[in-house]
Amino acid sequence: QKEVEQDPGPLSVPEGAIVSLNCTYSNSAFQYFMWYRQYSRKGPELLMYTYSSGNKEDGRFTAQVDKSSKYISLFIRDSQPSDSATYLCAMSDQYSSASKIIFGSGTRLSIRP
Amino acid sequence: ETGVTQTPRHLVMGMTNKKSLKCEQHLGHNAMYWYKQSAKKPLELMFVYNFKEQTENNSVPSRFSPECPNSSHLFLHLHTLQPEDSALYLCASSPNGQNNEQFFGPGTRLTVL
Repeated sequence: QKEVEQDPGPLSVPEGAIVSLNCTYSNSAFQYFMWYRQYSRKGPELLMYTYSSGNKEDGRFTAQVDKSSKYISLFIRDSQPSDSATYLCAMSDQYSSASKIIFGSGTRLSIRP
Repeated sequence: ETGVTQTPRHLVMGMTNKKSLKCEQHLGHNAMYWYKQSAKKPLELMFVYNFKEQTENNSVPSRFSPECPNSSHLFLHLHTLQPEDSALYLCASSPNGQNNEQFFGPGTRLTVL
């Protein structure tokens, strides 16, 4: 079993829809959770960063962590064509070296105008 | 120039060639990273440099040789690569080596013939 599982998609939704992107993980020691957005031919950019359980909101984006289920989500409200990208989840068990960050393989999202 | 830049953006090389990838960060960070990104696979951390010192080498084959002359520049020297080394090579930086918030460059798309 992989440490982090992420559905590769592609996921296609109409403009304005609410998008839900998810990752599951197996290591209960993970405490730091990140979402990166990667546009085609670009590097990943950090979108959301959360610590432990709960929700964090930033504009149209909400990151949710459920440690009891080992499940994290990224919600995008009022989705726009510009949100079309690959979304990578990432997590680590401590605020420490980069070698401890585990990435998901990414979900490709397409927003139809 | 701002952020993290990488050159070249695309590279095609034969298995007997020697080439180098270059990364430069303009963020005043002290840690720099090389990642390999293959299709439908998670990001693979290759090397970490913190204050110009290599702190991580994730069992990377010796045909990949990193060099970090200062905190702003990072190179990846390539020689006698294999076709399975074809991938997107991403450089990233962070304020220090104990920081999960990394800033990525656009990557170099490498094809080995």
